[in-house]
Formats: sequence, structure tokens, C-alpha cells
Amino acid sequence: SAVISQKPSRDICQRGTSLTIQCQVDSQVTMMFWYRQQPGQSLTLIATANQGSEATYESGFVIDKFPISRPNLTFSTLTVSNMSPEDSSIYLCSVRAHSGNTIYFGEGSWLTVV
Amino acid sequence: AQTVTQSQPEMSVQEAETVTLSCTYDTSESDYYLFWYKQPPSRQMILVIRQEAYKQQNATENRFSVNFQKAAKSFSLKISDSQLGDAAMYFCACLNYGGSQGNLIFGKGTKLSVKP
Repeated sequence: SAVISQKPSRDICQRGTSLTIQCQVDSQVTMMFWYRQQPGQSLTLIATANQGSEATYESGFVIDKFPISRPNLTFSTLTVSNMSPEDSSIYLCSVRAHSGNTIYFGEGSWLTVV
Repeated sequence: AQTVTQSQPEMSVQEAETVTLSCTYDTSESDYYLFWYKQPPSRQMILVIRQEAYKQQNATENRFSVNFQKAAKSFSLKISDSQLGDAAMYFCACLNYGGSQGNLIFGKGTKLSVKP
């Protein structure tokens, strides 16, 4: 299994500001993903973080709003830009390991925008 | 496109009893994986059990087992001897094994309550 560390675990943010979430994995992984979970909802994929190149975004999510970096095989960041109350959600980092077809999740980052 | 459907928004079970959570899915892929994840109030997504579509045998993990019906595209989770710590949101998910993305598609979740 993979151990995933996400920071921050929780934050309260002012409207119009941006926040960067970090995701660190304890081993090299093939794929890293960022999901959003709005209050009372299921998980929705934001994008796949690609090492050394631009992330692949799902429909409805754009790079200007959710810029993503992945400089190496064990680290990625997601920035939520120009936040509004509608961005209040849990953001989860997940990884798919080299060895198998299981996807693991970080603890999540719970953002509240006021 | 893949879809995952959980038709039970909420379920309740008495402690020590057995409960079954339902899940159906739709995929055009011949090779895929199915998962159940548990999300307690802490919000951590915890893997409960995994099933490979090419395996006929149902997966089991201690008190957790699945009933995988490939032809019917059904993947239910059975929790035996329910414990208070089992109370959580449960999400069914499908992984496209051969897909370039390799991400999970989630159902809407089932909230399980366990009564003492």
C-alpha cells in the first residue's frame, strides 16, 4: 500500500484568495489524481496530475481555476484559485501504485471559503 | 462512459447483525476492477474490499464480502456482525483497468448507521 500525506488538512479561506494543497507519497506511483467532494456529495475527478507536463482536466474543470503541478513521481500540488464559497469542499489526492490496480487516498483537505 | 449507481441513500443495521449495500455499474470494458470504500466522519477514504472482474470468486475481507454478479453488473457489499465502528458513508467505485486515465468512477454513496 501507499502512504499519502496531504497538507493542509483543514483551512478557512477568504473569498478571492488562492490556496495550494500538497500531496506527498511515500513511494513512486504511476498516477496521481485530484478529486473534489462537495458537502454531502460523492467524489468527482478534477484532473490527473502528469509528471513533468500539464495535468489532464475533466470536463468542467480548467487549469486557470485549478492549476496542478507534479514535479516528480511522489509529489503533487493542487491550487484552488480566486476562491468563492462554492469552492468549499474536501479535496482529495489519490494515487495508483506501480504494483497493482488499487487506488489509495490521502486524508483530504477540508476547505471552507468565507 | 462508465456509471456507478447506489440506490440506497441510507441504511441502518443493528449491532451484530448483517447488512447488504447495493451497487450496480455499467461499463463497456471487459477488464475492470470494482471497489468499496468507507468514509467515516474523519473524511479519510478507506479501502474496504476489491474485486477483479475476471475472477468469478467473490472477494472477502474478514467481516466484509461481496456478491459480484458480472452478467447483471451488480456488486453488493455484505457486512457481517456489524460493529459501531462500521458506521460511515460507503462508496462503490469502478476502475477502468485498461483506460489511459485509470481513475475511479464513484456512486453517490450509502450512509450506514449502526444501532447499539
